[in-house]
Amino acid sequence: EDKVVQSPLSLVVHEGDTVTLNCSYEVTNFRSLLWYKQEKKAPTFLFMLTSSGIEKKSGRLSSILDKKELFSILNITATQTGDSAIYLCAVGDLRYNFNKFYFGSGTKLNVKP
Amino acid sequence: SAVISQKPSRDICQRGTSLTIQCQVDSQVTMMFWYRQQPGQSLTLIATANQGSEATYESGFVIDKFPISRPNLTFSTLTVSNMSPEDSSIYLCSGGGTSGRQNEQFFGPGTRLTVL
Repeated sequence: EDKVVQSPLSLVVHEGDTVTLNCSYEVTNFRSLLWYKQEKKAPTFLFMLTSSGIEKKSGRLSSILDKKELFSILNITATQTGDSAIYLCAVGDLRYNFNKFYFGSGTKLNVKP
Repeated sequence: SAVISQKPSRDICQRGTSLTIQCQVDSQVTMMFWYRQQPGQSLTLIATANQGSEATYESGFVIDKFPISRPNLTFSTLTVSNMSPEDSSIYLCSGGGTSGRQNEQFFGPGTRLTVL
């Protein structure tokens, strides 16, 4: 059965720390991997990764995909309290004509002042 | 990216009643989806809303409980029927397959449902 596993489940850091969030997957026909940030209700899109080894970067956030080892990491440098949220990883499946995504359980990040 | 709106944003309902949630996208999207997120859990796909035909439901979800409509490429509804407290959840609509961003999926603000 296809699945997406995120680790750690929760993380508490202090402002200024650097964190690395992990997402491993077992999806038979990989299409893409997406990272989302969820603060209250709606997840907001961060990155989409389709190719191995190409880092996507946006400010203090960056992400990379390893399609051989079947995982992705999301890095956040110089964390701020506003980074506190649940970070979701979703993997798309090529078997379907539409973009069916499997979501991980999320990593809950708490950044303390 | 597409902007997605949902209404209502929240509701409190009585057991046994039904609620219809509307999802509107500001541009045409190929695909629309409905997810449920129960407290403390991740997103679970309920179904794919297909334009002009019956929705495609995931295992554990049935049309009688969650009827879905999608009359065009920008609008969809999800009805939660004969509600019980176990249906208390956030319901999220998403859209994807926009031109130039076929592999991305964007979410609406969600509907927080509480069933008493």
